[in-house]
Amino acid sequence: KNEVEQSPQNLTAQEGEFITINCSYSVGISALHWLQQHPGGGIVSLFMLSSGKKKHGRLIATINIQEKHSSLHITASHPRDSAVYICAVRSYNTDKLIFGTGTRLQVFP
Amino acid sequence: EAQVTQNPRYLITVTGKKLTVTCSQNMNHEYMSWYRQDPGLGLRQIYYSMNVEVTDKGDVPEGYKVSRKEKRNFPLILESPSPNQTSLYFCASSFVDSSSYEQYFGPGTRLTVT
Repeated sequence: KNEVEQSPQNLTAQEGEFITINCSYSVGISALHWLQQHPGGGIVSLFMLSSGKKKHGRLIATINIQEKHSSLHITASHPRDSAVYICAVRSYNTDKLIFGTGTRLQVFP
Repeated sequence: EAQVTQNPRYLITVTGKKLTVTCSQNMNHEYMSWYRQDPGLGLRQIYYSMNVEVTDKGDVPEGYKVSRKEKRNFPLILESPSPNQTSLYFCASSFVDSSSYEQYFGPGTRLTVT
């Protein structure tokens, strides 16, 4: 079993829909990252959080440390949000980043 | 502009022909790392470096070498590439400070070994 699991693996949505991507992990962590990978391949860091909630524009990330779970929400989705979203956790014990396999999101007009 | 650069972006080579993928960052980051990305497996760490002359193995170091002679550069060396090293490679950097682990990624290098 992977130490970081994301769901769903694939997601399609109509423009304007509210999107939720989930991440569950099984190790102790010091931080959790949400990353975005566009079709061209480049990876951009969206959020880094260790507790609570962060918001940036239409993106919201939450984390529940007790439940070892994080969610990434996209409000009013747009075709330009189409990308692969990757959850990664920094292991408290090893200090290494452990990556999920990503959620492929496609938003249609 | 703060960035991580990688070269080349695309490379097709043959088995056994030594190659180097360069990585450079202009943010004075101490920490640099190499990852490979394969379908269904996510990103896996190859090697990382906490500072100049300090390098360590990640999860999949076999077949790779690195060096960190300068703070800004962290080249990845494949002494004798094999087809199973065909992959998408990313270099990343960050500060080591515990309050700021945001990672900055390079644009990726797509390597094909025939």
